Amino acid sequence: DVKVTQSSRYLVKRTGEKVFLECVQDMDHENMFWYRQDPGLGLRLIYFSYDVKMKEKGDIPEGYSVSREKKERFSLILESASTNQTSMYLCATRLGGDTQYFGPGTRLTVL
Amino acid sequence: SQKIEQNSEALNIQEGKTATLTCNYTNYSPAYLQWYRQDPGRGPVFLLLIRENEKEKRKERLKVTFDTTLKQSLFHITASQPADSATYLCALVLYNNNDMRFGAGTRLTVKP
Repeated sequence: DVKVTQSSRYLVKRTGEKVFLECVQDMDHENMFWYRQDPGLGLRLIYFSYDVKMKEKGDIPEGYSVSREKKERFSLILESASTNQTSMYLCATRLGGDTQYFGPGTRLTVL
Repeated sequence: SQKIEQNSEALNIQEGKTATLTCNYTNYSPAYLQWYRQDPGRGPVFLLLIRENEKEKRKERLKVTFDTTLKQSLFHITASQPADSATYLCALVLYNNNDMRFGAGTRLTVKP
């Protein structure tokens, strides 16, 4: 079974703080994704990566950056957190064009 | 503009009935379509995949149809149970395999 883990289930940060969200997968999948999920808006893609050190912007990359130094780890960085970045953040992996496997999510609150 | 619409935000049905959820899309040409289940506070979990050249797929009490002319997928849960209560998301996988687009989901509640 594919396992995707995220560093925290719940996180509370203050405006202006730098925030790191980490995602680790154990199945050697090339593709990894970061989404945010907000009520009524569904899943929106922030960034994705199809290989180590490769990254591509998704639909809403502003205010975020990512890092993929190792195949199994994909980090999402909020350089200076703002209240409108309060959301549920979901990491996912995929092998080729197949199904996506999601982590449990991190509920981030920015005060 | 491109849109994915799932029939309603919430659907309530009685235990034992068939739940039917709808996913309509506009200005997309998906290679295939997937359905996911999401429980509160959890990540989505894959349920079923149907390709553009397939009309219907079944898995236990689940059935998915895909009509590329109508640009619609229907997701059925037969003999529904309270444990089926969750949010169900449809996702289009476009010909560029790295592009997957999700609907906002339908929250299904099955009442005993």
